Amino acid sequence: SQQGEEDPQALSIQEGENATMNCSYKTSINNLQWYRQNSGRGLVHLILIRSNEREKHSGRLRVTLDTSKKSSSLLITASRAADTASYFCATGRGGSQGNLIFGKGTKLSVKP
Amino acid sequence: DSGVTQTPKHLITATGQRVTLRCSPRSGDLSVYWYQQSLDQGLQFLIQYYNGEERAKGNILERFSAQQFPDLHSELNLSSLELGDSALYFCASSPAQGAQPQHFGDGTRLSIL
Repeated sequence: SQQGEEDPQALSIQEGENATMNCSYKTSINNLQWYRQNSGRGLVHLILIRSNEREKHSGRLRVTLDTSKKSSSLLITASRAADTASYFCATGRGGSQGNLIFGKGTKLSVKP
Repeated sequence: DSGVTQTPKHLITATGQRVTLRCSPRSGDLSVYWYQQSLDQGLQFLIQYYNGEERAKGNILERFSAQQFPDLHSELNLSSLELGDSALYFCASSPAQGAQPQHFGDGTRLSIL
């Protein structure tokens, strides 16, 4: 079953604009990760935020985590056409089981 | 390039058949994960192996089985295939057991006719 639910399901913006995607999850987590998937390709890890962190940055990416609301957001600033992809949040519960539970993803389209 | 290799890239077969998907993890990674991605179910975790031993099981059907060999490559066996098994099957790897960043292969696209 899906743990995370991304919102919106699809997002279309112009190059240079910011894109914000949200993710909600259901159970307690050890960390939350964001992945990107280009059409027909494997997922690529973008950023990991631990349950005791509130915000993390990596280049043009900013991730926030609110464990009280069981939600996270991914902000891509100054988007580029190359950012066009599907973005997934994934939660991990830690321990020896490393499997991730993925949401259904947000399909981002950045128009040049 | 993630360093994870999956073969074959595409597989077309018929209902009732059996197929084997192969995965070579990134060099040094001990954990291998299998996921199934379909339009209706999204990305579903199937099974995890760590250094040859099964570590976690997800929504894996009894018709499906997997193993990880001493050289750490893994195989996912799908038998008595049904139309609904058509999907993209991904293998991912990570260095250790916990919920770490995973490196994904480009998947095997399985089409059942």
